[in-house]
Amino acid sequence: DAKTTQPTSMDCAEGRAANLPCNHSTISGNEYVYWYRQIHSQGPQYIIHGLKNNETNEMASLIITEDRKSSTLILPHATLRDTAVYYCIVRVMEYGNKLVFGAGTILRVKS
Amino acid sequence: GAGVSQSPSNKVTEKGKDVELRCDPISGHTALYWYRQSLGQGLEFLIYFQGNSAPDKSGLPSDRFSAERTGGSVSTLTIQRTQQEDSAVYLCASSFEPGQGKETQYFGPGTRLLVL
Repeated sequence: DAKTTQPTSMDCAEGRAANLPCNHSTISGNEYVYWYRQIHSQGPQYIIHGLKNNETNEMASLIITEDRKSSTLILPHATLRDTAVYYCIVRVMEYGNKLVFGAGTILRVKS
Repeated sequence: GAGVSQSPSNKVTEKGKDVELRCDPISGHTALYWYRQSLGQGLEFLIYFQGNSAPDKSGLPSDRFSAERTGGSVSTLTIQRTQQEDSAVYLCASSFEPGQGKETQYFGPGTRLLVL
């Protein structure tokens, strides 16, 4: 699986959009971009994933650049409960492909 | 619907004792993964089950660790002769069968193991 690079930490004001970047310059054509988050003392929570096109669900939007070398997770209206570690993972959807978690980005939403 | 459940939520044991951790995957999910997260560390893959295929045990740190999955559903992770470095949060995840576009893994709340 391709390696990802994320900032160590970010702050966001409550009610504003949180934009979390991820670089994956060595991503290959069949690798998906996945985002999970982990709120303190809980298991990782799936947020969203995509291959080439931008994706949106009830939690967030995922913007993938045309060359697929980077992506941005957008939480449109961050709340205090969105404070968590956010993990960007690239992986191939195939048999037995486990998730490889990096250090992630610590997002602090402040009032 | 119900998510992945794990039990116990917390376990304190003495060094040298054996422990069993249980995972109930989401109904209908055929793939089951175990991970662990040591204090301040990232998540580390341990083992993977898919249907009746042989499990992928490549992440198990030592032969003291084993896991089984009975009837294609519930899984038990067993740690024999526990050591203090085994203290961690043990996380279970499940998904539909990979290769069918529904491979997203959903995680349970974890079991927090403390070895004294």
